[in-house]
Amino acid sequence: SQQGEEDPQALSIQEGENATMNCSYKTSINNLQWYRQNSGRGLVHLILIRSNEREKHSGRLRVTLDTSKKSSSLLITASRAADTASYFCATVQTGANNLFFGTGTRLTIIP
Amino acid sequence: EAQVTQNPRYLITVTGKKLTVTCSQNMNHEYMSWYRQDPGLGLRQIYYSMNVEVTDKGDVPEGYKVSRKEKRNFPLILESPSPNQTSLYFCASARPSALSYEQYFGPGTRLTVT
Repeated sequence: SQQGEEDPQALSIQEGENATMNCSYKTSINNLQWYRQNSGRGLVHLILIRSNEREKHSGRLRVTLDTSKKSSSLLITASRAADTASYFCATVQTGANNLFFGTGTRLTIIP
Repeated sequence: EAQVTQNPRYLITVTGKKLTVTCSQNMNHEYMSWYRQDPGLGLRQIYYSMNVEVTDKGDVPEGYKVSRKEKRNFPLILESPSPNQTSLYFCASARPSALSYEQYFGPGTRLTVT
């Protein structure tokens, strides 16, 4: 069963704007990760946030985690055309040994 | 270069003809996994392996087999492929620790079963 659900399913914004994607999950987790996938290619790990962390930054990426609401958000600031991709959240459930992926958000940056 | 490789990248086959998709990683990772990706369903885990000779079912293991005889290799076997196994397949590896399962993905294998 899938653990994460991303919202929105698709998002189109102008280059330079900020993009926000949300992820909700169902059970307690060890950590939550965000991945990017360019069309038809392998996923690339972006950032990992542990269950005891609330916010994390990496370059133009900002991730928040609210374990009380079982939700996370990924903010990409000052978007670029190269950010066009699908973004997936994935969770490692407490006590589990594997990763559960959501269905993804398709982000399109309009030049 | 640290990487996960998959072969073949594209495969068209017929129902019932056994096939193997190979996966190899050069990062000495203990953990390896197979996923399939279908439109609207995201990535679903087929099988995973915590280490050599240790494999476990994921969400959608029916119709698939795996083996982990060496640390670097984790082949996916379809004994009798069916059209519903047409999908994009990804192999991934990770060095598991208690808090981090950052996974490294291969480039994918696009399988079509007719």
